[in-house]
Amino acid sequence: GIQVEQSPPDLILQEGANSTLRCNFSDSVNNLQWFHQNPWGQLINLFYIPSGTKQNGRLSATTVATERYSLLYISSSQTTDSGVYFCAPTQGGSEKLVFGKGTKLTVNP
Amino acid sequence: DTGVSQDPRHKITKRGQNVTFRCDPISEHNRLYWYRQTLGQGPEFLTYFQNEAQLEKSRLLSDRFSAERPKGSFSTLEIQRTEQGDSAMYLCASSLGGSYTFGSGTRLTVV
Repeated sequence: GIQVEQSPPDLILQEGANSTLRCNFSDSVNNLQWFHQNPWGQLINLFYIPSGTKQNGRLSATTVATERYSLLYISSSQTTDSGVYFCAPTQGGSEKLVFGKGTKLTVNP
Repeated sequence: DTGVSQDPRHKITKRGQNVTFRCDPISEHNRLYWYRQTLGQGPEFLTYFQNEAQLEKSRLLSDRFSAERPKGSFSTLEIQRTEQGDSAMYLCASSLGGSYTFGSGTRLTVV
């Protein structure tokens, strides 16, 4: 099955800093989603982005499916951005999301 | 619409007991998914329903696990003869063929 690698595994920022999270995947995908898991464990869908670029406030994401990677940009980070960020593609005819191990982000005040 | 609801939020059970979890998806969503997450890992897929039909099952879903979605509405996940290795967060999600919405999960502790 598809392999998903996320980097960096851990990231510590000061409030107001910008960051880029990367997701590499080993095979072609037909869908990719980014999630934020907050410190209470709730998974929030950030982007549904099989290809191209999307923006939502301070967050944006780009997926280059032909080169098998996706990027999540966080600008002007806030303490509430802390948590674990997961990317999860699907492959072929499957509805199954395959999650990476995530990037743990800590934003300090 | 209040999102995806899961019940209970926490469950502590003795090894060997059976447990059942419930998931109520967003009402207009026809697809429902179960995932399991252990500490420090991303969620792992267990099974998927489209309406009442169970269309995909992971090899993780051993014969002790069974899931149902009668009438294509709520779903239940039952674990028989629980083992300590079953301790995890069990997550339910629903979708209408696009982006997922996850519930808050049921945390299972097997003692």
